[in-house]
Amino acid sequence: TQLLEQSPQFLSIQEGENLTVYCNSSSVFSSLQWYRQEPGEGPVLLVTVVTGGEVKKLKRLTFQFGDARKDSSLHITAAQTGDTGLYLCAGATRRGSTLGRLYFGRGTQLTVWP
Amino acid sequence: DAGVIQSPRHEVTEMGQEVTLRCKPISGHDYLFWYRQTMMRGLELLIYFNNNVPIDDSGMPEDRFSAKMPNASFSTLKIQPSEPRDSAVYFCASSFKGLWGNTIYFGEGSWLTVV
Repeated sequence: TQLLEQSPQFLSIQEGENLTVYCNSSSVFSSLQWYRQEPGEGPVLLVTVVTGGEVKKLKRLTFQFGDARKDSSLHITAAQTGDTGLYLCAGATRRGSTLGRLYFGRGTQLTVWP
Repeated sequence: DAGVIQSPRHEVTEMGQEVTLRCKPISGHDYLFWYRQTMMRGLELLIYFNNNVPIDDSGMPEDRFSAKMPNASFSTLKIQPSEPRDSAVYFCASSFKGLWGNTIYFGEGSWLTVV
């Protein structure tokens, strides 16, 4: 059973288009992270959101954490070929004040065509 | 500063053989994580250490898997005996203080194929 469901699994679009990918769970997380992974490399952290309803912007990327801290979305405006990659969301739990586990979704494979 | 360093990058081995994957975390980081990535299951946490002590190994698939961190700059993940279903990319990652607001740095992965 996957704790975090990401959709869509695959997304293929033209350069310049907008897109949104989703990360959903029935569980509440203390924080949620988004990563991008390119072929042959490890995931690279893009952003961490910690407060329900929080919105963070990273250039053309907008990340939102759901009010109930169970879901998140990533919106890309005017996609570029350099945005191609596997986008992973990861939800964090805590054990008291210390680190808990980080659960990853399976990811959305984004391909942006010129 | 060098990132997380993993070796080997690629390994092909026969079923039943012992496999040892190695990781050097970023200097000064006090958390180290081992993940496994497959198409079917995505990225799974196997085990993580804090200050060289294993904190949570509930993701380790079975007794054939073991991980050690003898010091702050080195960790190993061992599979003995290996099976074809162990074929995956194994990532090591490290972070400082492990707070989720901090960045977790992944290595480039060890691509394991068991035939």
